[in-house]
Amino acid sequence: AQKVTQAQTEISVVEKEDVTLDCVYETRDTTYYLFWYKQPPSGELVFLIRRNSFDEQNEISGRYSWNFQKSTSSFNFTITASQVVDSAVYFCALLPGEYGNKLVFGAGTILRVKS
Amino acid sequence: GAVVSQHPSRVICKSGTSVKIECRSLDFQATTMFWYRQFPKQSLMLMATSNEGSKATYEQGVEKDKFLINHASLTLSTLTVTSAHPEDSSFYICSALEGAWDSPLHFGNGTRLTVT
Repeated sequence: AQKVTQAQTEISVVEKEDVTLDCVYETRDTTYYLFWYKQPPSGELVFLIRRNSFDEQNEISGRYSWNFQKSTSSFNFTITASQVVDSAVYFCALLPGEYGNKLVFGAGTILRVKS
Repeated sequence: GAVVSQHPSRVICKSGTSVKIECRSLDFQATTMFWYRQFPKQSLMLMATSNEGSKATYEQGVEKDKFLINHASLTLSTLTVTSAHPEDSSFYICSALEGAWDSPLHFGNGTRLTVT
């Protein structure tokens, strides 16, 4: 079964705090892709990152960083020095590795950054 | 970057009427588009996969006669909610695939449908 679990329903932090959003996935496929999307209050989903299952290197993009660990089936997302504009719903998603498969979304984590 | 335009962003209609939602890829061709439905504070539920020039593939539990999908060109897919009822009120989001099947999806801004 393909599944994505985002156990944190809602997180509230104060501006400039670091925050980590957890994502745990389940799949039997050896090839798969993991994504993070941001959904601000305006509604559109913004693509943040894609990672394939063979690339376990951590990635940093500005204040964003991702930690991919196959051993624990986790793909966690950290925002450093959070800002109010980071307030949004964040979705982790899994694309199993065969053509025709579809993106499986987690339930999402609501992040509230207070000034 | 790739842009997907969805229109309208908000629509209010009366029970029994039909509503059409358009999804356009503005700067790329999308052979495949996806339609999602999102309930408040919930995740996205895939409704159907739309392939240009062929019939849409619906997910289990989605009524294809109620949610008509047409993908007539490489840049346009439409979702028509027929004979809408209040329970159809929801946030509908389309997405388009640019490139290979494992590429990131580009999402539209969504349509907030309210059926009164």
